Amino acid sequence: KAGVTQTPRYLIKTRGQQVTLSCSPISGHRSVSWYQQTPGQGLQFLFEYFSETQRNKGNFPGRFSGRQFSNSRSEMNVSTLELGDSALYLCASTSDLGRDTFGSGTRLTVV
Amino acid sequence: QKEVEQDPGPLSVPEGAIVSLNCTYSNSAFQYFMWYRQYSRKGPELLMYTYSSGNKEDGRFTAQVDKSSKYISLFIRDSQPSDSATYLCAMSVSGGSNYKLTFGKGTLLTVNP
Repeated sequence: KAGVTQTPRYLIKTRGQQVTLSCSPISGHRSVSWYQQTPGQGLQFLFEYFSETQRNKGNFPGRFSGRQFSNSRSEMNVSTLELGDSALYLCASTSDLGRDTFGSGTRLTVV
Repeated sequence: QKEVEQDPGPLSVPEGAIVSLNCTYSNSAFQYFMWYRQYSRKGPELLMYTYSSGNKEDGRFTAQVDKSSKYISLFIRDSQPSDSATYLCAMSVSGGSNYKLTFGKGTLLTVNP
């Protein structure tokens, strides 16, 4: 069974730019969540999508957005990048039993 | 006060030692408790998933939940160098697919051969 696939693995962007990250969940999983991981704040919940609808949202500014497609693949977008957005962005695919499987993440560096 | 507190360590132990990792939490609505292991440059991997107070054992790993004290623990017996990783506790209010995880900041563990 293929795991959660996140692309790209590494990304370097300049302040003010925007970025789109992609996540392909485990086949059959309808829920996808996104998390930001930084050394200072740890893992923080961004948002969760289920059947193309955003169900939960964390305490992040509106520059952070996402969407989910009919095949459950999800993208998150960050606009007007700031230096503080440098982080590991993790996607989790959730089974109907509530077990999360994480991808290896996308390491975003904003310069 | 953060919802979940976890000592970041680092924790260094000799091979074969018993390791104790702990988290405390303030939100009494948390019902589901998890421990994740994260190796460098990898995503977190689910180790243990518990719902009620008490102990749950899986091989060398034992998870304990004490809801009255708002305290959870992970014990690793006969620790191995391959156990060297960051261990994250996580909690959620709802156990269904409509939930979010609240994480501790993680404890960095090194097991020395």
